[in-house]
Amino acid sequence: QVLLQESGPGLVKPSETLSLNCTVSGYSISNGYYWGWIRQPPGKGLEWIGNFYHGGSTHFDPSLRNRVTISVDTPNNQFSLRLATVTAADTGIYYCARLTLGATGPNFVDFWGQGALVTVSS
Amino acid sequence: EIVLTQSPGTLSLSPGESATLSCRASQSVSVNYLAWYQQRPGQAPRLLIYHVSSRATGVPDRFSGSGSGTDFTLTISRLEPEDFAVYYCQQYSSFPRTFGQGTKVEVK
Repeated sequence: QVLLQESGPGLVKPSETLSLNCTVSGYSISNGYYWGWIRQPPGKGLEWIGNFYHGGSTHFDPSLRNRVTISVDTPNNQFSLRLATVTAADTGIYYCARLTLGATGPNFVDFWGQGALVTVSS
Repeated sequence: EIVLTQSPGTLSLSPGESATLSCRASQSVSVNYLAWYQQRPGQAPRLLIYHVSSRATGVPDRFSGSGSGTDFTLTISRLEPEDFAVYYCQQYSSFPRTFGQGTKVEVK
């Protein structure tokens, strides 16, 4: 069974950088699949942030591209999200996810983390 | 960007009834690259359907997907208590990957 677990600060000040970690167990992130981040503002729908394929391509939502970094820690089977210069609009639940491999990039999410609530407030 | 519009916003039904949820795309979704997810309160989303009509592992056969091009449907026959939740469609035909805004299926 593939398990993903988010961790990181639940409160971030405006203009600072949001940082989250995703620890994966049950599958090696270097063995294939895309891995990425999806968020959900309070009471709203799902928003795709970005993803990577180990040793390969990355994709980001255009509206967040300039502020997002996704990095990988292969030995610890983890990957992380950094979102710079946050505002209240970045408040929400952040999910890490495994996405299936498609011909043109990531397809659908087959495994989700439980989610981490991040609030942007001073 | 492909915009997905789901309707209705809320569906009020009784257990045992059938639900029909719609997902309309602003442009054609090629190769049937569309998925459906279920999200219960306080939980992460769960994959139900991929490639328009293929059920994910462990999903009951009362869930079915159909459609092509720009119009897609998720049908839930014989609603069970655990089916009352929010449902999202997602396209993976083009970048950026996008989700619909969701349809809530609530108890009437």
